[in-house]
Amino acid sequence: TQLLEQSPQFLSIQEGENLTVYCNSSSVFSSLQWYRQEPGEGPVLLVTVVTGGEVKKLKRLTFQFGDARKDSSLHITAAQPGDTGLYLCAVNFGNEKLTFGTGTRLTIIP
Amino acid sequence: GAVVSQHPSRVICKSGTSVKIECRSLDFQATTMFWYRQFPKQSLMLMATSNEGSKATYEQGVEKDKFLINHASLTLSTLTVTSAHPEDSSFYICSASPFDYGYTFGSGTRLTVV
Repeated sequence: TQLLEQSPQFLSIQEGENLTVYCNSSSVFSSLQWYRQEPGEGPVLLVTVVTGGEVKKLKRLTFQFGDARKDSSLHITAAQPGDTGLYLCAVNFGNEKLTFGTGTRLTIIP
Repeated sequence: GAVVSQHPSRVICKSGTSVKIECRSLDFQATTMFWYRQFPKQSLMLMATSNEGSKATYEQGVEKDKFLINHASLTLSTLTVTSAHPEDSSFYICSASPFDYGYTFGSGTRLTVV
């Protein structure tokens, strides 16, 4: 059973548009991570959020951790073709095991 | 930075044979490594936790005898898919955690069983 639901599952938008991806759960987490995975590669860590309400920016990417630490969002401004990939949220349930969300497959159309 | 090297990147094998996948931590020691499986267009599913010097811990539904894990040193874990069948075809990824919050992943192994 997936404890982390991501939405949307698939997203295809034009270059230059903005988008938001969501990661939701009924559980409270001490921290949450976002990864991006390109085809044929392993996931690459983008950011870790720790504090409820925390906002982190990574160039055109803005990550937010919900106040209750049950959800997170990733907002991309002026999307570029290089942003194409599978975006995964992930949490550690305190036992070193990293559990991934269901994933959002993003395609940016030039 | 911390690097996890996975080998091979692609392998094709015949049904009934065994395939070994290696996962190495290049610049740090990893007492624990993790093995994931990923089907096309899906997320990563944790298969097992590899523990240096002791038995691996498998997730529910993962066959221990089919997916043999060995973690004989602090820098090497191996996953052997035994008596492979076409349904074992998948993308296998290993990872380790070299620091408090982050996990580093290998580049994955695409296994095709024919």
